[in-house]
Amino acid sequence: QKEVEQNSGPLSVPEGAIASLNCTYSDRGSQSFFWYRQYSGKSPELIMSIYSNGDKEDGRFTAQLNKASQYVSLLIRDSQPSDSATYLCAVNSSGGGADGLTFGKGTHLIIQP
Amino acid sequence: EAQVTQNPRYLITVTGKKLTVTCSQNMNHEYMSWYRQDPGLGLRQIYYSMNVEVTDKGDVPEGYKVSRKEKRNFPLILESPSPNQTSLYFCASSPLTGGYEQFFGPGTRLTVL
Repeated sequence: QKEVEQNSGPLSVPEGAIASLNCTYSDRGSQSFFWYRQYSGKSPELIMSIYSNGDKEDGRFTAQLNKASQYVSLLIRDSQPSDSATYLCAVNSSGGGADGLTFGKGTHLIIQP
Repeated sequence: EAQVTQNPRYLITVTGKKLTVTCSQNMNHEYMSWYRQDPGLGLRQIYYSMNVEVTDKGDVPEGYKVSRKEKRNFPLILESPSPNQTSLYFCASSPLTGGYEQFFGPGTRLTVL
């Protein structure tokens, strides 16, 4: 059974600080990793994808991947109240992706003004 | 505008009354999928489709049917809905296999009384 684990939170971060969200996964053969942002009652929105070890930056967001430790993280710099949402980590399967992505249950992030 | 659409967005029905939730994408994506999202359980895949006339079960297929007669459409059918199917449903599509980034529709909130 493929698993993706996230701390459910809530994670409370002051406005302007760095928010750090973490995710571990069980399928050692996974190749594709994604972070989605989901506001309450809305659909998940893709914000970052990462495929190789190291860091990937996009604006205020940085995704970090360590395949040896089976760990992926998302850093949000200069956190804004509008970043308050649930962040879902998603990982593909090693079997070619036929059955899609496995999602973590999400971390609820609260940015305090 | 590239998008995934779902209809209806909200539906209240009664036990046993057949219903269909439609999903359509205009991005010429090969892969489409249905998820349900419940508090504390996260996103769980119901069914997916790799291409026209190719569908397969996800993690929670019981009580649901799907079809993929056209590339753009992937309807979800509940032939005899029960209260435990009350949930928030999302359709998603992906350009290649499901292991790539998926794009979500706006969601359908279903209540079965």
